[in-house]
Amino acid sequence: DAGITQSPRHKVTETGTPVTLRCHQTENHRYMYWYRQDPGHGLRLIHYSYGVKDTDKGEVSDGYSVSRSKTEDFLLTLESATSSQTSVYFCAIRGTGAPSYEQYFGPGTRLTVT
Amino acid sequence: KQEVTQIPAALSVPEGENLVLNCSFTDSAIYNLQWFRQDPGKGLTSLLLIQSSQREQTSGRLNASLDKSSGRSTLYIAASQPGDSATYLCAVSGANNLFFGTGTRLTVIP
Repeated sequence: DAGITQSPRHKVTETGTPVTLRCHQTENHRYMYWYRQDPGHGLRLIHYSYGVKDTDKGEVSDGYSVSRSKTEDFLLTLESATSSQTSVYFCAIRGTGAPSYEQYFGPGTRLTVT
Repeated sequence: KQEVTQIPAALSVPEGENLVLNCSFTDSAIYNLQWFRQDPGKGLTSLLLIQSSQREQTSGRLNASLDKSSGRSTLYIAASQPGDSATYLCAVSGANNLFFGTGTRLTVIP
């Protein structure tokens, strides 16, 4: 499982409240990713990080921010949650076996915004 | 923008049958292609990765092929088992991203 954990695993929150999801890895991988999975859309990239304090936007970054102050932790924050952000969120890391760069995924966080 | 399509969306087969899942993509400038398995309510498990310079990869009863020029990949599952029932996702790698298809939901009937 590439040593990836996500917390919380399930969360229900109200519209307008801030929410932070945590991804933790134990294998010192440089690249980390946040995806969301929605029916009919597959998985889509929200943000990614290529090192401590180095992050960039993905395809669906509006309404989300990220931070990475330590190699092992990548945080995803919804500043003011909306119902459209109800989804399953997956964290991933990129392996170091160049040039294959295989990605490995965490177990996911199911977020419901009411 | 890379578009990834998986057909069919769902497939039901009797146990023991060989089957093929299809994946197509619009931009042939990829780094690699990964096939994943996802069980209901669970995360993604990487099954096979094919580098852009390769034509196929095999792992046990699974064989994945890649034809970059035509933008196609197939996942062949031999002698299917009920435990193979899951959703299979195809993803192609850009420089810093994976672009996913919406998956094929496979049911293997005992």
